Amino acid sequence: AQKITQTQPGMFVQEKEAVTLDCTYDTSDPSYGLFWYKQPSSGEMIFLIYQGSYDQQNATEGRYSLNFQKARKSANLVISASQLGDSAMYFCAMRHNNDMRFGAGTRLTVKP
Amino acid sequence: EPEVTQTPSHQVTQMGQEVILRCVPISNHLYFYWYRQILGQKVEFLVSFYNNEISEKSEIFDDQFSVERPDGSNFTLKIRSTKLEDSAMYFCASRADRGDGYTFGSGTRLTVV
Repeated sequence: AQKITQTQPGMFVQEKEAVTLDCTYDTSDPSYGLFWYKQPSSGEMIFLIYQGSYDQQNATEGRYSLNFQKARKSANLVISASQLGDSAMYFCAMRHNNDMRFGAGTRLTVKP
Repeated sequence: EPEVTQTPSHQVTQMGQEVILRCVPISNHLYFYWYRQILGQKVEFLVSFYNNEISEKSEIFDDQFSVERPDGSNFTLKIRSTKLEDSAMYFCASRADRGDGYTFGSGTRLTVV
């Protein structure tokens, strides 16, 4: 069975600094996809970044990058130059075949 | 930008009543999903739907739940006899193909009283 673990219930970061949100996963299948979603206080789920298990390079999208370490089964999200608007819940998710499961989430607070 | 639309945004219902949550996925998408999120907790998978049938469902998705795509555009989640613990945010999602990312709707907040 697939499992996603986010061990940081809450994180704080100073505005303009970088922050890493941890995500580890467990699967025996070689083909899978990893996602990060942002959920602001409004409740919507906003797609941030995607990494395929066969992708050779780490995914990047603007200030978001995914530190994909396949052997360690980790897919940490790095947010550079944090902004106050980055304060939100962040969910890591893994897709396998027709199924996507989420981690418990990390609440990020950006301090001015 | 195409989006997944969910209605209503908030629904309050009496315990034991039936509710139908509605979703309009992106028009060329083929895979449809329902997730729920109890307040402050993780997002939980309920069911996936492809080719007019359920392809996978979680242990949460018991006989009280059903899904339907009645007219080729709407994708509905029905809860037959709501319980207090069904109170949650329900998210619909869709994607075009197996290799694509999911697009989520903005959610329906269901409150069972």
